[in-house]
Amino acid sequence: DTGVSQNPRHKITKRGQNVTFRCDPISEHNRLYWYRQTLGQGPEFLTYFQNEAQLEKSRLLSDRFSAERPKGSFSTLEIQRTEQGDSAMYLCANEGLAAYNEQFFGPGTRLTVL
Amino acid sequence: DAKTTQPPSMDCAEGRAANLPCNHSTISGNEYVYWYRQIHSQGPQYIIHGLKNNETNEMASLIITEDRKSSTLILPHATLRDTAVYYCIVIPPGGSNYKLTFGKGTLLTVNP
Repeated sequence: DTGVSQNPRHKITKRGQNVTFRCDPISEHNRLYWYRQTLGQGPEFLTYFQNEAQLEKSRLLSDRFSAERPKGSFSTLEIQRTEQGDSAMYLCANEGLAAYNEQFFGPGTRLTVL
Repeated sequence: DAKTTQPPSMDCAEGRAANLPCNHSTISGNEYVYWYRQIHSQGPQYIIHGLKNNETNEMASLIITEDRKSSTLILPHATLRDTAVYYCIVIPPGGSNYKLTFGKGTLLTVNP
């Protein structure tokens, strides 16, 4: 257990529906990342927060995706009008301001779009 | 960021040392080598990192060649629970975003 929790762990939805995932990080760690992982591939970077500021977004993050981190605490990732191609594992990672970069990953939310 | 090359899969007998290679021939002088692993259905887990010198912690050892173009992760006594995908990642120090760029990694299967 890394101390990073994600909810829900599994989500099945129909194409066109909106979904929201939540990540609760380690409280004292300022940096928060979202990654997406499809079958057989390594995780791919989606977006990054330092405290409440969203500082970088990947090209993978289309207009249908939005992420927030109010007050620099938990974070949410919302996907609007889901498509079958959105089916993947969505991972949240948390990192402190230490001299080296150890990211603590949550268990992920597995999204299946039917 | 420098790209890394890893074999897609390796096997190891339980109790034996597992040596996982990684090629990073385009690494820059200030870029670190990091290793993470991902056990099935879990998030990735940090293992170890290094710059030039060999490193050891409670999980593994990291051997980096003198020219820094390749490295080897060593699990000294592999157990069945070490079966996972192992990722070698090169990242620069400093900056405000330490996003990890994962490749496909090496699937290590530890056999009884």
